[in-house]
Amino acid sequence: DVKVTQSSRYLVKRTGEKVFLECVQDMDHENMFWYRQDPGLGLRLIYFSYDVKMKEKGDIPEGYSVSREKKERFSLILESASTNQTSMYLCASSRDRVLAYEQYFGPGTRLTVT
Amino acid sequence: AQSVAQPEDQVNVAEGNPLTVKCTYSVSGNPYLFWYVQYPNRGLQFLLKYITGDNLVKGSYGFEAEFNKSQTSFHLKKPSALVSDSALYFCAVSSRHNTDKLIFGTGTRLQVFP
Repeated sequence: DVKVTQSSRYLVKRTGEKVFLECVQDMDHENMFWYRQDPGLGLRLIYFSYDVKMKEKGDIPEGYSVSREKKERFSLILESASTNQTSMYLCASSRDRVLAYEQYFGPGTRLTVT
Repeated sequence: AQSVAQPEDQVNVAEGNPLTVKCTYSVSGNPYLFWYVQYPNRGLQFLLKYITGDNLVKGSYGFEAEFNKSQTSFHLKKPSALVSDSALYFCAVSSRHNTDKLIFGTGTRLQVFP
């Protein structure tokens, strides 16, 4: 089974802090994604990556950056956390660039910024 | 632009009754359609997908979905609901003409009552 793990289930940070969310997948998948999930808004794509050191902006990239130094690891960075970034963050991976392949999700990180 | 609509925020059904969770979509070209389920405090799990071929797609846990091109719909169904089916369900779409993103609906909460 594909396994996608996220470094924290719950995280509380203060406004202005730099926040790192880590995601690791163990199935040699090419694609990795970061979403945020908010009630009534569904999932919104923040950034995605098709290859090591490669990144593409999603629908809501403002205030976020990403890093993919190794194929299995995709990090989401909040450079200066703000209260409007309080949300559930979901990482996902899929086999390759053809989006006929399903995405596999991690358990999520619930981030609270105070 | 691609879009997905889940018109019902919540669907209530009695255990043993059939259930339907609705989804309509808008894409350029042929769609790739997916259903995911999210149980409480967990990430999303893939249920089923339509890529091509038979319009009736069968997936995990006894769920199925019917692709209707003329109505641009992909409704999720199950003949006999279980209390354990209570969860948040997301429909998602991508297409061969826009392989960069999977667009998610806002989600429908299914509540199955004993």
